[in-house]
Parts: sequence; structure tokens; C-alpha cells
Amino acid sequence: EPEVTQTPSHQVTQMGQEVILRCVPISNHLYFYWYRQILGQKVEFLVSFYNNEISEKSEIFDDQFSVERPDGSNFTLKIRSTKLEDSAMYFCASKLQHGATGITDTQYFGPGTRLTVL
Amino acid sequence: EDQVTQSPEALRLQEGESSSLNCSYTVSGLRGLFWYRQDPGKGPEFLFTLYSAGEEKEKERLKATLTKKESFLHITAPKPEDSATYLCAVSNSGGSNYKLTFGKGTLLTVNP
Repeated sequence: EPEVTQTPSHQVTQMGQEVILRCVPISNHLYFYWYRQILGQKVEFLVSFYNNEISEKSEIFDDQFSVERPDGSNFTLKIRSTKLEDSAMYFCASKLQHGATGITDTQYFGPGTRLTVL
Repeated sequence: EDQVTQSPEALRLQEGESSSLNCSYTVSGLRGLFWYRQDPGKGPEFLFTLYSAGEEKEKERLKATLTKKESFLHITAPKPEDSATYLCAVSNSGGSNYKLTFGKGTLLTVNP
């Protein structure tokens, strides 16, 4: 069964360093998302990406964050200068485009990357 | 602003003891309501999508229902392996990116 994969599973970095989190969405999906979950809190939306551009971003997704789809399979989230409060689980999700045969709105999530900022 | 409230925050059941989890939502226009299961340190695992009031979906011991203001996840004769956090999320029909707004989840523990 196709699944979303993410690497690394755990990333430890020093405050102020750049990190890149990687995701391989399900191959025929066209909408891509990043969410984060701070320990003990809700899963929060960060950004959505469609047709090679950002379609929506949350207030959390400031200038320190960027996303990219460098090739036909990978989807990355970059944090330019990490802060202590960026420590969280980061989840990638993908969704098949709404098609003529019915609504296909389900987002499938990856296993997450645990980011620890020291 | 879309809001999702789940109750109870935690639920402890004995194996075989059926119960229900609640998800109340406020959204200007509901496109879909989603139930996910999350194990500790893992990503949300998709369970159900519901689109309109009156809709029901079933999978093994789980059944999800939807009204205009809330959704229920019914668990019939649960087993210890059903222990997890159950997340409810909604997507808004406005816009085209279909982001999800999540509740805090209900932590279900099923004792043998």
C-alpha cells in the first residue's frame, strides 16, 4: 500500500542552524502539506502546496520557513534559523486531487520527523 | 475561524466495554470531517472521512457518525490494541487547499 515517507525520523540541531526535513508523498498525489505538533498539543497546519506553489500558509509559517518540490518525488521543509520553540514533530501529508469520480479529500500522513532544537 | 473540540480528553475502558468519543465542530462550511488514530510518536493514521450530516462509516469495531454540529466515534467491544489517541479534524469548503483543523484528541486506554 502506498505511503508517505519522511526523513530523518529524528533531527537534533543547535539554535540558529538551518534544517531541511524531507518527505516523499504518495506518487499520484497532487496536494502536499506540512503540519507540526508540539509535544502535548494539537496538530497544527503550516503550509499547503499545489501546482508548484504555496496555496496557503499559517501565521506560524513565517520568513524562516520555506518549502520546495525539487523534483518529481521529494517535498522539503526548510527552517533557516531554528529557534527553541521550533522543537516539535513535523508531519508531511499528501492528498489526491478532487476528481470527477468523487471527492478524494483524505490527507495521508507520514510518520513524522522529531525536531529537537538545543 | 474553524474550531474542533473533542471530549473526553481521556477515556479508560475495560476490554469489551463499548463507548463513544465526541467531536464538536464550528466551521463556516464543512467540506469534510476526518477521524485519525495516532499512536505515540507516530503520524496520524486515517480512519474515516464523513461529508454530510447523517452519513455513517464503519471499520471493524469502529463506527463514525456525523450531524450538523458534531461527530461521534463509537467503539464496540474494544480490545487493548485499540488504545491510542483518536483525532478529529475538519476541512472548510471555502478556498481550495483543504487544510485540516484538528482537535486535541481523545486518549483511549483499553485495559485487558
